[in-house]
Amino acid sequence: DQQVKQNSPSLSVQEGRISILNCDYTNSMFDYFLWYKKYPAEGPTFLISISSIKDKNEDGRFTVFLNKSAKHLSLHIVPSQPGDSAVYFCAAINLGNQFYFGTGTSLTVIP
Amino acid sequence: DTAVSQTPKYLVTQMGNDKSIKCEQNLGHDTMYWYKQDSKKFLKIMFSYNNKELIINETVPNRFSPKSPDKAHLNLHINSLELGDSAVYFCASSQEVHGLAGRYTDTQYFGPGTRLTVL
Repeated sequence: DQQVKQNSPSLSVQEGRISILNCDYTNSMFDYFLWYKKYPAEGPTFLISISSIKDKNEDGRFTVFLNKSAKHLSLHIVPSQPGDSAVYFCAAINLGNQFYFGTGTSLTVIP
Repeated sequence: DTAVSQTPKYLVTQMGNDKSIKCEQNLGHDTMYWYKQDSKKFLKIMFSYNNKELIINETVPNRFSPKSPDKAHLNLHINSLELGDSAVYFCASSQEVHGLAGRYTDTQYFGPGTRLTVL
């Protein structure tokens, strides 16, 4: 049973435009959410996170939005750059400190 | 310096063989994990160790046995390899942090992955 879902396996965006990656979850007990970025042949690296008590967290070009009532998380990248092309995983942590990952969205930023 | 390292990076082996994948972290973290990334790109947790003690053991065949000689190492041994074991295996580590509402797991640091191919 997949508790964290990324329904778009891929996304293409023009350089300079906004990239929006979406993530839905089913467990209302998730307490903390993270986004990871993964390049081919490398492990995922941490990008940005948000606590369930907030609805927005911003770090440079990256902003994560949390809508708890909709159980929806999104990552905005503005402006998108070719180096942002990677697979993005969202993850959620429950109160038992267990991580649950989504299946990833492959982002391609077209120069 | 690599924070979380795994060896080998690639492993090709025959069905029925026994193999091990090693993981080491130099971050001083208390908790280490093994994940399997399957063909659907889904990262599924297999095991979690905290200070050398097993704390998470998901539904994984008992052919998979983690071993933690010390808190900086978590090795994964696989007996009688099967075709379905082919996947990329990621090791990760994290540290607990203390927040207002209790203890939380800080972000995880992943190794580069080991691509296992069973022929």
